[in-house]
Amino acid sequence: EVQLVESGGGLVQPGGSLRLSCAASGFTFSRYWMHWVRQAPGTGLLGVSRISGDGTNTDYADSVKGRFTISRDNAKNMLYMQMNSLRVEDTAVYYCARDDLWGQGILVTVSS
Amino acid sequence: EVVLTQSPLSLPVTLGQPASISCRSSQSLVYSDGNTYLNWFQQRPGQSPRRLIYKVSNRDSGVPDRFSGSGSGTEFTLKISRVEAEDVAVYYCMQGKRWTFGQGTKVEIK
Repeated sequence: EVQLVESGGGLVQPGGSLRLSCAASGFTFSRYWMHWVRQAPGTGLLGVSRISGDGTNTDYADSVKGRFTISRDNAKNMLYMQMNSLRVEDTAVYYCARDDLWGQGILVTVSS
Repeated sequence: EVVLTQSPLSLPVTLGQPASISCRSSQSLVYSDGNTYLNWFQQRPGQSPRRLIYKVSNRDSGVPDRFSGSGSGTEFTLKISRVEAEDVAVYYCMQGKRWTFGQGTKVEIK
C-alpha cells in the first residue's frame, strides 16, 4: 500500500528537542522530493522543509532555519526531521508529504 | 518570495450551486521548464490535505469532475460546478515548487 506514516511527536518543553520520523511504503522513495508541512491549531498550512530525492538539496522556512534539520535514509525509506530549540509557536500537526500523498499527521506540542 | 492570496476566505454555498475560489500570486508561477506549478488541495475537517488539481488544471485520480482548475501567470481559479455536502472543507492553493500555500478558503453549506 502506498502510504506515509509519521511518528515521534509528543509534548516537549520550550528549548527541547524532538525527532520526527516518516516511514514511506509502496513507492520508489528515492525518486521523490519529500516535504514536512505543519499546521498550527486552527490555522493554515506552512511548508517547513523539503529534501531532494538523493538528499543533497534541502530548504527550510525562515521560521525554522538553524533549528530544524531534514534528512532521509533511502535504504530504509525513511524521512526525518530533527527539531531543536523548540518554541511554543512550533506547536502544530506535522505532516510528511510527497506531491500527491500525505501522512495522517503527528502532533507536536511545545509547552511548559 | 512568492505570496499566494486567496479570496474569498469564507464561502457559504447552497447545495447544488457552483462555487469559485480565486488564488492570486505575487509573481508569475511559470517555471523555467515552461510549466506552471499551481496546485489545489482540499482539507476536510479532521483529515489530512488531499491534492485535487496539479499544474493548474489537471485533476488527480479519483477527483470528481465537478472540480476544475484554470488560470495562468498570476491568477488562478478553482471551481466546483455543483457543490455537494462532502465538499465542505478548506481549500488551499499551493505553489508546487517552493510549497508556498494560500491562506485557505472555507467552503460551507448555507
